[in-house]
Amino acid sequence: LAKTTQPISMDSYEGQEVNITCSHNNIATNDYITWYQQFPSQGPRFIIQGYKTKVTNEVASLFIPADRKSSTLSLPRVSLSDTAVYYCLVGDTGRRALTFGSGTRLQVQP
Amino acid sequence: EPEVTQTPSHQVTQMGQEVILRCVPISNHLYFYWYRQILGQKVEFLVSFYNNEISEKSEIFDDQFSVERPDGSNFTLKIRSTKLEDSAMYFCASSRQGVEDTQYFGPGTRLTVL
Repeated sequence: LAKTTQPISMDSYEGQEVNITCSHNNIATNDYITWYQQFPSQGPRFIIQGYKTKVTNEVASLFIPADRKSSTLSLPRVSLSDTAVYYCLVGDTGRRALTFGSGTRLQVQP
Repeated sequence: EPEVTQTPSHQVTQMGQEVILRCVPISNHLYFYWYRQILGQKVEFLVSFYNNEISEKSEIFDDQFSVERPDGSNFTLKIRSTKLEDSAMYFCASSRQGVEDTQYFGPGTRLTVL
């Protein structure tokens, strides 16, 4: 999987929009970009996946520029329950081992 | 919504004992995985399994580990002789097939080796 770089931590307040950017300069042509969320003592939970442009689901949006060397996970109107670690992964996530980095620890304050 | 399930949620064992961790992947998935996460550390890949054989494994997955799909629904991880450093959360995951698919994780089994 391509190496990714994302901020170690972020702070936000309830109701705000949070954008977490991930850099993946060595992304390959066939690689997908996938974001997971993890709460303490729980398994990673799939949030969103994309290949290019913009993807939106009921939880988040994923913005991918044309060069695909970065991506931004956007969480609209966060709540306290969105406090978690968010991981950006790039590669063949459907068949190959996932390599988790340290992720971005998001802390949402009231 | 289909989900990966794991049993037990917590397993306590004595050093040197064998443990078997069980997982039921999502029913139409073809790839199965085990990961572990030592407290406070990153999620680490152990092994992937496809078509009844190991397709990929990490350096952590040494001879004391084995995996099996004993029937059409279960996927197990066996640790033959547990060590203190095997204490961790163990996550099972599954995926369908294809580059565009993704892995869905179970809730984990907390293994404590005393």
